[in-house]
Amino acid sequence: DVVLTQSPLSLPVTLGQPASISCRSSQSLVYRDGNTFLNWFQQRPGQSPRRLIYKVSNRDSGVPDRFSGSGSGTDFTLKISRVEAEDVGVYYCMQGTHWPATFGGGTKVEIK
Amino acid sequence: EVQLVESGGGLVQPGRSLRLSCAASGFTFDDYAIHWVRQAPGKGLEWVTGLNWNSGGIVYAASVKGRFTVSRDNAKNSVYLQMNSLRAEDTAFYYCVKDKHNILTDSFDSWGQGTLVTVSS
Repeated sequence: DVVLTQSPLSLPVTLGQPASISCRSSQSLVYRDGNTFLNWFQQRPGQSPRRLIYKVSNRDSGVPDRFSGSGSGTDFTLKISRVEAEDVGVYYCMQGTHWPATFGGGTKVEIK
Repeated sequence: EVQLVESGGGLVQPGRSLRLSCAASGFTFDDYAIHWVRQAPGKGLEWVTGLNWNSGGIVYAASVKGRFTVSRDNAKNSVYLQMNSLRAEDTAFYYCVKDKHNILTDSFDSWGQGTLVTVSS
C-alpha cells in the first residue's frame, strides 16, 4: 500500500499567520491518465472529516480561498494563508491513485 | 440535504460478530458508490471497504479482508458492514461515506457521524 507521511505532526500557529503542511508519498501519485488523486481533509474537533482539496489543488465548494494545495509526483503541500480560529483541527492527506486509498497520519493545527 | 446515519456499534468481545448499518437520505441512493472508513479513538483514518452503486466492484483493506463483508440494499437506501472474528484492533469509529460517483473513486463526498465499535473482553 502507498504510505503517506505528513509533517509536522503538530502545528501551533498564531491567528492571522500562514500555515503549511507537507505530505510525502512512498510512490508517485500520477495515474496513467495523467491525473494525480491527492486530496486534503479537515477534521474539526468532534466532527467527521470533510474534503477541502481534490486532485492536488482544486478547492471543494464552500472551502475558503485561504486554503490552497500544491505539489506533484510524491510531494504535496496544503497551505492556509491566514489561519482563523475555525481552522483548528486535524488535517489529513489522502491518495486515491493506487487502491486501496490511504491516508496520511494527520497534522494537528492549533492556535498558539 | 445528504444524510448518512450509522448504527449498530457497541461493545463486543473478541472473536464475535457485529453488523453495522448506514441509512441514507437526501439523495438518489442507487446512483452512488459507498465506502466505510474507520478511525481508532484519537488516531488517524483508515479506508475499510466500498462498493459500487450496483453492489459491484467490492474492495477490502487487507486488514479486514476475509472477516468483513459489505453489502447494500438499494430498495432500503441502506449499506451494511458485517464484521466477523472481531479483534481489539478493530476498535474504532466507523464512518459511512458517500462517493461523488457511481463507482468507487477517491471522491469522498459526504460523511456520516460515525458509530463506535469497541472490541474488548
